[in-house]
Amino acid sequence: QQQVKQSPQSLIVQKGGISIINCAYENTAFDYFPWYQQFPGKGPALLIAIRPDVSEKKEGRFTISFNKSAKQFSLHIMDSQPGDSATYFCAAISSGNTPLVFGKGTRLSVIA
Amino acid sequence: DTGVSQDPRHKITKRGQNVTFRCDPISEHNRLYWYRQTLGQGPEFLTYFQNEAQLEKSRLLSDRFSAERPKGSFSTLEIQRTEQGDSAMYLCASSFAAGREGYTFGSGTRLTVV
Repeated sequence: QQQVKQSPQSLIVQKGGISIINCAYENTAFDYFPWYQQFPGKGPALLIAIRPDVSEKKEGRFTISFNKSAKQFSLHIMDSQPGDSATYFCAAISSGNTPLVFGKGTRLSVIA
Repeated sequence: DTGVSQDPRHKITKRGQNVTFRCDPISEHNRLYWYRQTLGQGPEFLTYFQNEAQLEKSRLLSDRFSAERPKGSFSTLEIQRTEQGDSAMYLCASSFAAGREGYTFGSGTRLTVV
């Protein structure tokens, strides 16, 4: 049972373009939604995160948009750069003792 | 303390052998998690500890898998009688209690069972 559904599976974006990755969830108990970035041979690294009491969070070129009623959230990477080429995972967690659950990932390739 | 350390980085073993991985978390973190990641998939939860207590185990953690965290510091994950299906990246992460600010992951141990 996939608790967090992520799309697309892969994405190719031109340098300078906008990369958009989408996630959806069902469990309304989730109350913290992080995005992780993973480079080959490395573990996932926390990129940006949002709580459901806000609809948007921006950090530099990275923005999370959150739609609580639709139970969807997305990552936008503005002015995408070749160095952004990595696999991105959305995740979710609820308060208490349940562990973080991950989407299946999106492999982003930014081409010059 | 620069992050979560995992050892070894790579392990190749023959089917049927036992293997053990080690994780050293960030010292201030009292929660430690083990995840498994296969190619093209997101990390899948295996088990976690709060201090030395193992609080939850996934159904993915068969009876061939055992994890310990003696004294609430480092942790070990042992796989007995390895199978080819155990080939994966084993990731360790740590966090403050409840993980409300996200987890910090190590670079993982890549296991290949031949």
